Formats: sequence, structure tokens, C-alpha cells
Amino acid sequence: EVQLLESGGGLVQPGGSLRLSCAVSGFSFRNYGMSWVRQAPGKGLEWVSSISDSGSVTYYADSVRGRFTISRDNSKNTLYLQMNSLRAEDTAVYYCARGAQSTYGPDTWGQGTLVPVSS
Amino acid sequence: DIQMTQSPSSLSAFVGDRVTITCRASQGIRNDLGWYQQKPGKAPKRLIYDTSSLQSGVPSRFSGSGSGTEFTLTISSLQPEDFATYYCLQYNDYPLTFGGGTKVEIK
Repeated sequence: EVQLLESGGGLVQPGGSLRLSCAVSGFSFRNYGMSWVRQAPGKGLEWVSSISDSGSVTYYADSVRGRFTISRDNSKNTLYLQMNSLRAEDTAVYYCARGAQSTYGPDTWGQGTLVPVSS
Repeated sequence: DIQMTQSPSSLSAFVGDRVTITCRASQGIRNDLGWYQQKPGKAPKRLIYDTSSLQSGVPSRFSGSGSGTEFTLTISSLQPEDFATYYCLQYNDYPLTFGGGTKVEIK
């Protein structure tokens, strides 16, 4: 069974940093591009970032470029999102998802982790 | 960036009704479109990819059609478990972009 489990969310002050992790199982992680998608409270879905299967190519939404960094460790079957210079508007549930542009978009999603940014 | 305009933003329907949701892309995206269902407090679930391919395990009452810039999700006979919010997603190019969502409610 394909499983994705996010962790690392929690309350952070504006200007602060947080690193999200997504541990996966049930599939060959190194063969898939991966993505992060977020959802602000009561709002729609917003794509944040994607990374190629090897980790050599990354993509970002304009709203996070220069502040967020996506990475992966294929030996640990884990995806990461390093978030710096956080703003109130980054408050959202962050979902890890298997798949990216080259794989017909994300197909399987984790349960999400909440990141409130507030003083 | 490719903008995805989804309509309607909400609808009310009876169990058994046929429901249609539309997404329009600001430029041609070939068939690079998926549909997702999201229930409150839950992660999105993919229903359709490649415009019309049904995700494994998804009931056949869900179908997708379209090409180029106009796409449709159809639920042939709405069931109680189908009341949810639906989103389209284009993955033709980065940035990936979602439609604004359609909330399907019980009439």
C-alpha cells in the first residue's frame, strides 16, 4: 500500500523557519517525481513545489521561490520542504504528493500537516 | 502561467442527478488535466488523469472529457458519498495550477 506521512508542522512566528518531512513507503520512491501542495484554511489547493526523481531538477511557485527549498533523500525514502522567512500567508495545511508534471500530476497524497504562521 | 477557471463554484443537487463541472484553461494544455475530490478534513483524491482516464478504484459514474482548453467532469448519478469539493489541475507546464474548486452539496 502506498503511504505518505508528513511531519514537522506546527506553530511558527513570522520570519521563522520550519522543515517539513514526508516519509514514504509502498512504492519505489527513487522512480517518482514528488510535489508539495498547500491549502490555506477554507481556501483551495495551491501547488508549491516539485522535484524530479533524482532530485536534480526542482520547480517552485512564485509565491515561495527564494524562501522554500524542496529536496529528497532517496536512501531514506523521504521528501523535504525547508521553509524560511515564513509569512502569515504561508499558513496552510501542507500535503506531500507522489507525482509531478511528468507523471500525470500528483496521484497519491499524504494526510497533510498544518503550519500556522502567527505571532 | 496557465490559469484554470472552474465553474460553477458551487452547486446543489439531488441523489441520482447527473452533475457536470467545467474547467477552462487560459491556453491549450493538450490532455494534461486531472480531477480531484476532497472531503472536509481529508486529503484530495485523484479521480481522473489525462482528461479521461479513470483512476484505479474510482467508480465508473465518474467520467472526464475535453481537450485543448475546455474540460468536463461528469458524475452520471450522484451518490451520497459524492458530496464533496472537486478541483481540476493542469500539469501541462509549471507552475501546476488548480481550478478554484466546485463544492457539491445536497439539495
